[in-house]
Amino acid sequence: DTGVSQNPRHKITKRGQNVTFRCDPISEHNRLYWYRQTLGQGPEFLTYFQNEAQLEKSRLLSDRFSAERPKGSFSTLEIQRTEQGDSAMYLCASSPYASQGHYGYTFGSGTRLTVV
Amino acid sequence: DQQVKQNSPSLSVQEGRISILNCDYTNSMFDYFLWYKKYPAEGPTFLISISSIKDKNEDGRFTVFLNKSAKHLSLHIVPSQPGDSAVYFCAASRTGNQFYFGTGTSLTVIP
Repeated sequence: DTGVSQNPRHKITKRGQNVTFRCDPISEHNRLYWYRQTLGQGPEFLTYFQNEAQLEKSRLLSDRFSAERPKGSFSTLEIQRTEQGDSAMYLCASSPYASQGHYGYTFGSGTRLTVV
Repeated sequence: DQQVKQNSPSLSVQEGRISILNCDYTNSMFDYFLWYKKYPAEGPTFLISISSIKDKNEDGRFTVFLNKSAKHLSLHIVPSQPGDSAVYFCAASRTGNQFYFGTGTSLTVIP
């Protein structure tokens, strides 16, 4: 395991459908983050986990969004009743607890969601 | 409300010269600052960080400068190489967990 793995890489869905993305972090990293990036913008924070605990959520994470990390390893991000405005790149990142941001996250390659 | 701003969408530099990428932030509570590089179809790659207790951090060809009074961050790349061509994002955080990213600067290094 040399990096953060995200699946699927691409997802096209019809408006109103539910979608779920998976993220497998670097195995020794106990912090996991979800960000969203739209065209021409930088990544925007959605939520983060320390082990299985979801410690912080952005206002961007509406009621239609839910994230889980049940055993403190992989994480899933589900979007219910997708809207066209949900079309974006969804990025997962992980870091070891001790870094506290000094060493940065390791990002995955992202899941590109297109809602048609 | 854009708390981190990168006002130059693009920058072109000759190979071997210095590249200077700039970033401004509005929140004086930010203590942690990062620079990331991003290639198309890949996630951002961490480059270098600095905390508010320092004003300079160096790692090989990359140096980050922090001017807290001006709320300004810059990344210097010396010498610039064609492989450095990418989009560069700066990011800032109060806690080291939730980072606010700028909109990026696309750097082109001309051989």
